Amino acid sequence: QKEVEQDPGPLSVPEGAIVSLNCTYSNSAFQYFMWYRQYSRKGPELLMYTYSSGNKEDGRFTAQVDKSSKYISLFIRDSQPSDSATYLCAMSFYGNNRLAFGKGNQVVVIP
Amino acid sequence: GAVVSQHPSRVICKSGTSVKIECRSLDFQATTMFWYRQFPKQSLMLMATSNEGSKATYEQGVEKDKFLINHASLTLSTLTVTSAHPEDSSFYICSATKLATSTDTQYFGPGTRLTVL
Repeated sequence: QKEVEQDPGPLSVPEGAIVSLNCTYSNSAFQYFMWYRQYSRKGPELLMYTYSSGNKEDGRFTAQVDKSSKYISLFIRDSQPSDSATYLCAMSFYGNNRLAFGKGNQVVVIP
Repeated sequence: GAVVSQHPSRVICKSGTSVKIECRSLDFQATTMFWYRQFPKQSLMLMATSNEGSKATYEQGVEKDKFLINHASLTLSTLTVTSAHPEDSSFYICSATKLATSTDTQYFGPGTRLTVL
């Protein structure tokens, strides 16, 4: 079993819809959880960063962490064509800079 | 801000040559820099972790003599792909973490696309 599982998609949604992405993980020691957005042929850009369980909201983006289920989610409200990208979840342990990445989920928002 | 740059953004070389890729943190000091490679439609695979002033730590299966890493300062790390072959063609991305922070956020560079003919 991989450390981090993420369905690669692709996921196509109409403009204005809610995009729902998720990752599961196997190691309960993970404490920091991140979502990165990567446009084609570019480096990943940090979108959301959360510590332990809970919700975090930033504009149209909401990140949720459920440590009991080892499950994290990213929601994008009122999706825009500019949100079309690959979204990667990542996580790490306290005091350890190494990130474990999911495979990435390609999202296409259709105008 | 937390800006990381990479140079070059794209390089094409002949098989057997060596290629050097630079990674710079522009507006912060980076305690640690990381080097990843990414194949099309795949996730990032960590190659090595680089701390300023010490030897890089390579992931299992990554040849340290082929992928030379030098972390010369708190703002610069270089990756040299020695005797490159077509199978080394990939997207190489570096990232950096800030000095004196208790979080583990990594800030990524824009990547370097290497094509070996």
